[in-house]
Amino acid sequence: ELKVEQNPLFLSMQEGKNYTIYCNYSTTSDRLYWYRQDPGKSLESLFVLLSNGAVKQEGRLMASLDTKARLSTLHITAAVHDLSATYFCAVLPREWTDKLIFGTGTRLQVFP
Amino acid sequence: DTAVSQTPKYLVTQMGNDKSIKCEQNLGHDTMYWYKQDSKKFLKIMFSYNNKELIINETVPNRFSPKSPDKAHLNLHINSLELGDSAVYFCASSRPRISSGGKDGELFFGEGSRLTVL
Repeated sequence: ELKVEQNPLFLSMQEGKNYTIYCNYSTTSDRLYWYRQDPGKSLESLFVLLSNGAVKQEGRLMASLDTKARLSTLHITAAVHDLSATYFCAVLPREWTDKLIFGTGTRLQVFP
Repeated sequence: DTAVSQTPKYLVTQMGNDKSIKCEQNLGHDTMYWYKQDSKKFLKIMFSYNNKELIINETVPNRFSPKSPDKAHLNLHINSLELGDSAVYFCASSRPRISSGGKDGELFFGEGSRLTVL
């Protein structure tokens, strides 16, 4: 069975600190997506990673993809309160064209 | 303009009732989806339609019946609602997997419809 696991599930961090969220998946894929969800809101696309070694950065967030290790990371630099949200990775398995499988989610809370 | 819109945003109903959720997208995408998000925030795909044709049906009880009158609309009808159906249902759409711009497969989500079954 295909699994997409995120680590950690909950993350409470102080403003100004750095941290990394990990996304491991169990199938062959070279397409991985990161989404953000604020409480009671929809999902917002953050990054689309389409090849091995892909790295994307936006503000304090940087995402990378290692398809050989079946691992993606979302690195947070100098966290601020506005980054508090739940972050999901999602994998598009190679054998499926339309079935995006979501990870378990990481709930991030940034405090002063 | 809202890209993917769902109605209603909130539904509160009794067990055994039937309810529908409507979804419309104005992005010109060919593929639309229904995802269910449970109380633990876990997101699971239910259905996928490509240009009005059912592509994915993920072992969802047949009380759930999607309908796509055209490629811009995907509705979800639920019969005989049960307590376990309480969740947030998200509609989404996507570009074709192979497309220009490097963003193929990316999903665009609606605001969600929170269903509470009493």
